Amino acid sequence: GAVVSQHPSWVICKSGTSVKIECRSLDFQATTMFWYRQFPKQSLMLMATSNEGSKATYEQGVEKDKFLINHASLTLSTLTVTSAHPEDSSFYICSARDFPGYEQYFGPGTRLTVT
Amino acid sequence: AQSVTQLDSHVSVSEGTPVLLRCNYSSSYSPSLFWYVQHPNKGLQLLLKYTSAATLVKGINGFEAEFKKSETSFHLTKPSAHMSDAAEYFCVVSREYGNKLVFGAGTILRVKS
Repeated sequence: GAVVSQHPSWVICKSGTSVKIECRSLDFQATTMFWYRQFPKQSLMLMATSNEGSKATYEQGVEKDKFLINHASLTLSTLTVTSAHPEDSSFYICSARDFPGYEQYFGPGTRLTVT
Repeated sequence: AQSVTQLDSHVSVSEGTPVLLRCNYSSSYSPSLFWYVQHPNKGLQLLLKYTSAATLVKGINGFEAEFKKSETSFHLTKPSAHMSDAAEYFCVVSREYGNKLVFGAGTILRVKS
């Protein structure tokens, strides 16, 4: 149980385009989802927290207009990288938590390469 | 602010020998501490967690960790390494249990046959 999937697992896009990444909780309802970013050889950094039906809360330094997060249902959250630039290339990982649980269950990640 | 320092970026052990992955934390509050493991192309999996109960925490797959407040450490150990333990391990601290996870840089464990 407690499986989280991400799609796509790997995406290449051209500079200036937008790309959407999906995060799904497959066997539980996720009241809260988290989005992380991981640069090569660095640790994961929390980008934003989203609660179902509410606006996401972004961490300091994360551009909310660039990284659009939608948590429209209890099993799906999406991260859209708008007007992507090469510096947005990274590994994006989502996690999901049910209520009233506290453990976060992580997806396998999405590698984004912007050319 | 919370932070974690994983003291080794790579650890190499022989199969059947003990594993020690070191982690020091910094927190202004009584922290919650976690160890996660990440196998290639798999999601992060929780190994164990400390939430101010027993200082010696037992996790899955024979791993355990000891919370030492005086040393601000939360080292991960296993008595006997198995080939399947080869993966990347992350030490994580949280002020709010379940929220705001702060990750260490990770330690890659290699197990030699």
